[in-house]
Amino acid sequence: AQKVTQAQTEISVVEKEDVTLDCVYETRDTTYYLFWYKQPPSGELVFLIRRNSFDEQNEISGRYSWNFQKSTSSFNFTITASQVVDSAVYFCALSEAPGGADGLTFGKGTHLIIQP
Amino acid sequence: DAMVIQNPRYQVTQFGKPVTLSCSQTLNHNVMYWYQQKSSQAPKLLFHYYDKDFNNEADTPDNFQSRRPNTSFCFLDIRSPGLGDAAMYLCATSPVILHQETQYFGPGTRLLVL
Repeated sequence: AQKVTQAQTEISVVEKEDVTLDCVYETRDTTYYLFWYKQPPSGELVFLIRRNSFDEQNEISGRYSWNFQKSTSSFNFTITASQVVDSAVYFCALSEAPGGADGLTFGKGTHLIIQP
Repeated sequence: DAMVIQNPRYQVTQFGKPVTLSCSQTLNHNVMYWYQQKSSQAPKLLFHYYDKDFNNEADTPDNFQSRRPNTSFCFLDIRSPGLGDAAMYLCATSPVILHQETQYFGPGTRLLVL
């Protein structure tokens, strides 16, 4: 069975600090997808990134970067120079449906608070 | 430019009174999903449509039904809402393109049951 663990329930940092959100996953499939979504107070889930299991290349997008390590089954998310607008709940999610339509298995989310 | 649209954004209903939530998409994606998200919890998949094929999750209560009359629209019907059904309901769509499957979410409908 698939499982996603986000051990950090809540993180609070001061603006401009760097922060890393942890995500550990479990799956028996050899092909799977990992995602990060941002959920601001308005409630909408905003897609941030998808990483395919066969692509271990790390990715950077502006202040955001993701570190995918199959050896430790982790897909961590780092925000550099955090800003107040980064305050939200962040969900890591897993899908095991290549070419299909499986639902997402979400972690419990990490509530990130950026203090001015 | 909204791609996944949910109406209404807020819905108030009475205990036991049927309610319908709607979702539409302009992405022409094959798959549409409904998730339930209760306060401070992760979204939980209720069911999804792959084109016209309906796929129900094993633990979704019978009280929840869905309809997809065409590619663009999908509805969530709650036949007899209970207080425990108060939640955010999220609609998502996904293309079925190998290794490009990504779910895009609408803004959600927040349901209050009185």
